[in-house]
Amino acid sequence: AQTVTQSQPEMSVQEAETVTLSCTYDTSESNYYLFWYKQPPSRQMILVIRQEAYKQQNATENRFSVNFQKAAKSFSLKISDSQLGDTAMYFCAFMNPQVNNDMRFGAGTRLTVKP
Amino acid sequence: DSGVTQTPKHLITATGQRVTLRCSPRSGDLSVYWYQQSLDQGLQFLIQYYNGEERAKGNILERFSAQQFPDLHSELNLSSLELGDSALYFCASSETTGKNTIYFGEGSWLTVV
Repeated sequence: AQTVTQSQPEMSVQEAETVTLSCTYDTSESNYYLFWYKQPPSRQMILVIRQEAYKQQNATENRFSVNFQKAAKSFSLKISDSQLGDTAMYFCAFMNPQVNNDMRFGAGTRLTVKP
Repeated sequence: DSGVTQTPKHLITATGQRVTLRCSPRSGDLSVYWYQQSLDQGLQFLIQYYNGEERAKGNILERFSAQQFPDLHSELNLSSLELGDSALYFCASSETTGKNTIYFGEGSWLTVV
């Protein structure tokens, strides 16, 4: 089974600054999807950004962007101009469409944005 | 609103009891996933169904079972409940074509006392 590793249990950043959350994964597949989900204190799971492995171009969504390094099996999330509302748990996830969209999550990184 | 509906939102029950959590996926989604999240923990994958059939099984206890019905809604049954089963149970559904993204419901909070 695929594994997803988030090596930073907790991180903090000053408001308006930039922070990068790390994620690595292990797979033998060539076609897959990667995601970052945000879980604020309300505990709702919110999709932040997704990346298709066959696309070399890094995905961006407003202040959120990824650095996808397929050979290194790395998928980091960069948050620019951090806002207080970005305070949340962030989960990296891997989806394998070859196995019925099997989806696995990392352990999460707790991000605190400080005023 | 993700379009995935879970009921009940909150549930308090006693040890040894049985509960059923219900999930309605987004319109048109054939895949349903169940995840368990204990306090300050990550998401533990329990089970996945696709169009009524079990497709993947994770760390689901034998006391737990699930099914997906012909109308595609799913139920997660938790029996002989223990204090450690207290958690947030998420249902999610995914597109079968296109963007292959899963969308989460708001979760069902289960407290076992």
